[in-house]
Amino acid sequence: DTGVSQDPRHKITKRGQNVTFRCDPISEHNRLYWYRQTLGQGPEFLTYFQNEAQLEKSRLLSDRFSAERPKGSFSTLEIQRTEQGDSAMYLCASSPTGDTEAFFGQGTRLTVV
Amino acid sequence: GESVGLHLPTLSVQEGDNSIINCAYSNSASDYFIWYKQESGKGPQFIIDIRSNMDKRQGQRVTVLLNKTVKHLSLQIAATQPGDSAVYFCAENEDSGGGADGLTFGKGTHLIIQP
Repeated sequence: DTGVSQDPRHKITKRGQNVTFRCDPISEHNRLYWYRQTLGQGPEFLTYFQNEAQLEKSRLLSDRFSAERPKGSFSTLEIQRTEQGDSAMYLCASSPTGDTEAFFGQGTRLTVV
Repeated sequence: GESVGLHLPTLSVQEGDNSIINCAYSNSASDYFIWYKQESGKGPQFIIDIRSNMDKRQGQRVTVLLNKTVKHLSLQIAATQPGDSAVYFCAENEDSGGGADGLTFGKGTHLIIQP
């Protein structure tokens, strides 16, 4: 499968724990995006990268959220001190450039108990 | 920011019929619009996009219509099939020719195809 790959698919964590999700974009896609989707809602934009540069991070939900793409390939999204309200599907997408369609992964479903 | 919304949460059509899913947006600066399909447990799947310099674009069995005057977007699916059952989202962006940076999604319409 050469699509966007996200790992893990499901994560259950206790409140207060830190979690990290990984996204592997489609090969040679320069743009990588993170979204969050809560039940019954459309995805909500969080942040995106052009290669290794994070070009937008003001939409990250709080300072507990951070993302990296150190080598311009895979990316990680970390949530520190998780709260029950962080329970959601975290989606990653990639596109070859900034003016072409983006392809989403299957998402990581986070449940905070 | 301004929101993108859909008129109906659920749309039920007979297999083989045509379906139309509507979307209203409020941001007059939006100039790029996308329709995504999302099946249960999966990520959104790109269907078709349209830029604000167009009012119609066709794909395979799908047509997107854009009316900038009334800020309305629609997705027409011809000859619906069981595999078309999913939630459909419209999304928009401003000052963007594409990509997915800062897309604003609507809440979605659940399309149900009845046999």
